[in-house]
Amino acid sequence: GQSLEQPSEVTAVEGAIVQINCTYQTSGFYGLSWYQQHDGGAPTFLSYNALDGLEETGRFSSFLSRSDSYGYLLLQELQMKDSASYFCAAMDSNYQLIWGAGTKLIIKP
Amino acid sequence: DGGITQSPKYLFRKEGQNVTLSCEQNLNHDAMYWYRQDPGQGLRLIYYSQIVNDFQKGDIAEGYSVSREKKESFPLTVTSAQKNPTAFYLCASSLDRVGETQYFGPGTRLLVL
Repeated sequence: GQSLEQPSEVTAVEGAIVQINCTYQTSGFYGLSWYQQHDGGAPTFLSYNALDGLEETGRFSSFLSRSDSYGYLLLQELQMKDSASYFCAAMDSNYQLIWGAGTKLIIKP
Repeated sequence: DGGITQSPKYLFRKEGQNVTLSCEQNLNHDAMYWYRQDPGQGLRLIYYSQIVNDFQKGDIAEGYSVSREKKESFPLTVTSAQKNPTAFYLCASSLDRVGETQYFGPGTRLLVL
């Protein structure tokens, strides 16, 4: 079956760096997306990795290793507004996104 | 402003009733999607459409139906056959069928009375 595994919850301190890991198993794989969702809100797109390596967008970076079926989202200089759930989603051979269950990021002052 | 709108924000369904959730986009996107999200879970694909007058079942299509008569609109009907419809329903769109970047509406919360 198709599945993505990510930690259910991560806690970090304001101003610190946190890494959210994601491993995937899909039938065909085109790339890995990351989305942010605040409580009660809709997901918003953060990044997409189709190739191995690190993609940087401001305070957020995303990494992919296709050989390890693994990726991570790195958040730097954490701010309280970054408190949210973060989802990894893998694009399968039908160009559909298969979603992980999400990681709740708790930021302490 | 371009975006995706969903209505209503909250919807109550009685036993045996069909209800329809609205989704409209003015982004000129070809592809549209319906997802269901249960508390503490990820998103599960119900239906998707890559072009007008065509749509495909996702992983959990049973008890749901859709139509795509216009590019801008992709309504979802939750039928009485869906026995556990209480969830957060999210509509999304992408520029084309390669939907790695999807834009979401604000969602509809469906509750069963």
